[in-house]
Amino acid sequence: EPEVTQTPSHQVTQMGQEVILRCVPISNHLYFYWYRQILGQKVEFLVSFYNNEISEKSEIFDDQFSVERPDGSNFTLKIRSTKLEDSAMYFCASSAFMAGNQPQHFGDGTRLSIL
Amino acid sequence: QKEVEQNSGPLSVPEGAIASLNCTYSDRGSQSFFWYRQYSGKSPELIMSIYSNGDKEDGRFTAQLNKASQYVSLLIRDSQPSDSATYLCAVNVAGANNLFFGTGTRLTVIP
Repeated sequence: EPEVTQTPSHQVTQMGQEVILRCVPISNHLYFYWYRQILGQKVEFLVSFYNNEISEKSEIFDDQFSVERPDGSNFTLKIRSTKLEDSAMYFCASSAFMAGNQPQHFGDGTRLSIL
Repeated sequence: QKEVEQNSGPLSVPEGAIASLNCTYSDRGSQSFFWYRQYSGKSPELIMSIYSNGDKEDGRFTAQLNKASQYVSLLIRDSQPSDSATYLCAVNVAGANNLFFGTGTRLTVIP
């Protein structure tokens, strides 16, 4: 069964450094998402992406965050200058249609630890 | 403010029993509802989706939706120890391209 793949599984970074999290969505999916989950808390929406542009973003997704689809398969989340509070699990998800019309399928996540 | 509320649990049921998980949501514009299962340290895994009022059954799982009461539930029949996980309710509001998640209910099935 097709799946969303994320790399790396665990990223340790010094505060203030840039980090790029990578995702390969399911191949025939058109909508891509990033969510985060701080330890012990709920899954929070960050951003959705369609047709090479951001379709929605949350208040969490400030100027420190950016997303990109650099080629036909990868979808990346960049955090420019990491803070301690960015430590969380980051999940990439994809769907064939808009969020309300079809379920999103999640990758295994990247655990980001900021020191 | 879009809120999705779940009882955090833990909910403990004996093996073979029915587990009932509940979720309420605040936005009347919500149109699509999803139940995800999350094992500790793992990613959310889709269990069920439901879009219209009533019941939807898939194997041992039944999702129930009541839009008038802004309530969605998940029943797990013949609960197994492998069902022990946190169950996340997620809601999509019409026209929005995102999901709002509840905090999840932790279910423990006792052998």
